[in-house]
Amino acid sequence: DAGVTQSPTHLIKTRGQQVTLRCSPISGHKSVSWYQQVLGQGPQFIFQYYEKEERGRGNFPDRFSARQFPNYSSELNVNALLLGDSALYLCASSLEWGSDTQYFGPGTRLTVL
Amino acid sequence: QKEVEQNSGPLSVPEGAIASLNCTYSDRGSQSFFWYRQYSGKSPELIMFIYSNGDKEDGRFTAQLNKASQYVSLLIRDSQPSDSATYLCAVAGGGSQGNLIFGKGTKLSVKP
Repeated sequence: DAGVTQSPTHLIKTRGQQVTLRCSPISGHKSVSWYQQVLGQGPQFIFQYYEKEERGRGNFPDRFSARQFPNYSSELNVNALLLGDSALYLCASSLEWGSDTQYFGPGTRLTVL
Repeated sequence: QKEVEQNSGPLSVPEGAIASLNCTYSDRGSQSFFWYRQYSGKSPELIMFIYSNGDKEDGRFTAQLNKASQYVSLLIRDSQPSDSATYLCAVAGGGSQGNLIFGKGTKLSVKP
């Protein structure tokens, strides 16, 4: 079975632009979570979606938004990019919502110039 | 503010030794505890999870949980150079929260 997939793998944007990151969970998994990891830090929680509904939101500004589609794939959107948004964006897949085991995709490396 | 604390290291051990990685957490309501391994430039890879007090063994890895002390540890026996990576401790929030709270990670270096 394929694991969690994310696209693109790398992305370079300039300040003020908008970006959309995509994630497909493990087959049969219904929950997707998004995390931001800056260099030298652990991943920080951004959003969790389950059955197409937002079930959790971390301490990120409204420039960050996400959605989950009927096939359980997900998109993370970031508007008005700032230099500080440069990070590895990780998607994690879990079978159900709650304290379930989460499996990470390869991530999208976003660089904002 | 729920926090997870880890010694950032680097922790250096010789090949074949036992590596001991430690983690403390602030939220007594936490239910689930995870260890992820992250190689440089890669994403975190789940290596162990533990829910109950005590020890859980999987091959060369042993996770230990003490909820009274709010302490989680990971032991790696017979450490290999391929174990050199950053080890992330993660805690799932209790109740209705499904997100993971991560420590900053401990960098482990296994010297041949």
